Amino acid sequence: EPEVTQTPSHQVTQMGQEVILRCVPISNHLYFYWYRQILGQKVEFLVSFYNNEISEKSEIFDDQFSVERPDGSNFTLKIRSTKLEDSAMYFCASTYTQDTQYFGPGTRLTVL
Amino acid sequence: GDSVTQMEGPVTLSEEAFLTINCTYTATGYPSLFWYVQYPGEGLQLLLKATKADDKGSNKGFEATYRKETTSFHLEKGSVQVSDSAVYFCALSRSGGSNYKLTFGKGTLLTVNP
Repeated sequence: EPEVTQTPSHQVTQMGQEVILRCVPISNHLYFYWYRQILGQKVEFLVSFYNNEISEKSEIFDDQFSVERPDGSNFTLKIRSTKLEDSAMYFCASTYTQDTQYFGPGTRLTVL
Repeated sequence: GDSVTQMEGPVTLSEEAFLTINCTYTATGYPSLFWYVQYPGEGLQLLLKATKADDKGSNKGFEATYRKETTSFHLEKGSVQVSDSAVYFCALSRSGGSNYKLTFGKGTLLTVNP
C-alpha cells in the first residue's frame, strides 16, 4: 500500500540555522500539507499546497517558512532561521480527493 | 472559525471495557469528520471517517456516527484491547473551496490495562 514518507526522522539543529524537512507524498496525490505538533499539544495546520502554489497558510507560517515541490515527487518545508519554539514534530500529508489526508510518520525537529 | 472539542484525557480502562471518547465540533458548511490515532512513537493514522450527516464510520471495532443535530462525532468501541492504547484525535475538514485543511482536537490519551 502506498504511503507518505518523511526524512529525516529526527533533526537536531542549532538556533538560527536553516533546516529542510523532506516528504515524498503518495505518487498520484495532488494536495499537500504540513502540520506540526508541539510536544503534548494538538496537531496544528501550517500550510497547504496545490498546483505548485500555496493555497492557504496559518499565522504560524511566517516569512521564516517556505515550501517547495522541486521535482514532482518531493515536497519540502524549509525553516530559514530556526527558533527554540520551532521544536516540534512536523507531519507531511497528502490527498488526491481533498477528503482523506494520509500522513507521514513525522520528523522530530529539536532546536538547541 | 472551525474548532473541535474533545473529551479531556487521559482515559484508563481495563481490557474488554467499553470506550467512549466524546467529540463535538463547530464549523460552517458541511464538514467531513475524522478520527485519527497516534500509537506511541508513530505518526497519525486514519482510523475512520464520515462525510455526511447520519453516516457511521467504522474500523477495527471502532465506530462513530456523524450527528449534525448535536454537532458530535463520538468514538466508541465495545471491548478495548491493550493494543488500542494510543492518542485519539478527532478532526474535521470543511467541504467546498480550494482548501481542505484539517482542524484537530487536543487528543485523548487512552491507556488499556490487561
